[in-house]
Amino acid sequence: DGGITQSPKYLFRKEGQNVTLSCEQNLNHDAMYWYRQDPGQGLRLIYYSQIVNDFQKGDIAEGYSVSREKKESFPLTVTSAQKNPTAFYLCATHSPDRGYGYTFGSGTRLTVV
Amino acid sequence: ELKVEQNPLFLSMQEGKNYTIYCNYSTTSDRLYWYRQDPGKSLESLFVLLSNGAVKQEGRLMASLDTKARLSTLHITAAVHDLSATYFCAVEGTNAGKSTFGDGTTLTVKP
Repeated sequence: DGGITQSPKYLFRKEGQNVTLSCEQNLNHDAMYWYRQDPGQGLRLIYYSQIVNDFQKGDIAEGYSVSREKKESFPLTVTSAQKNPTAFYLCATHSPDRGYGYTFGSGTRLTVV
Repeated sequence: ELKVEQNPLFLSMQEGKNYTIYCNYSTTSDRLYWYRQDPGKSLESLFVLLSNGAVKQEGRLMASLDTKARLSTLHITAAVHDLSATYFCAVEGTNAGKSTFGDGTTLTVKP
């Protein structure tokens, strides 16, 4: 089955620690996105990539970093510079004709301990 | 900067009733999406509306788009409990593929 796999499902981060969230897709889509969702709010765009080896900052990129070395993979690192990282992180892809909405992964819940 | 506003943010309705969720956006766009999110889950795509006057229907949900008014509506007909969820609209701006989301409308359908 084609889809997006995010791991881990739950992640706990200590103060000052960097953590990496995984996002893998087998849909053969070029475009991939990372969104953050805080309780009771909509999604905010962190980073996106429309092609391998290229990515752009979204609206809230500070404290995050990404890479896009393979078409299938778009990992997100939450660095110690992100002061309020507790949130639900969603990875998504978009088909080339955008004739359907995003396909989302199941998400990663990150909590600072 | 593209802004997307949904209302109401919370909606409690009885089974069998009709209601409409509104999505206003601030700049020109001709591509709008509706998504559904169940509690604790990810989002799933419901509709994409591509042009002025577009209307899509799936079961008890019908979405429409008026690009001149910068308004989309999601109409619920004869609500049932299974429709309880949070519904988001998302508008694609000038950067193709990049969407801005509204804050969502949490719908609770009571027997």
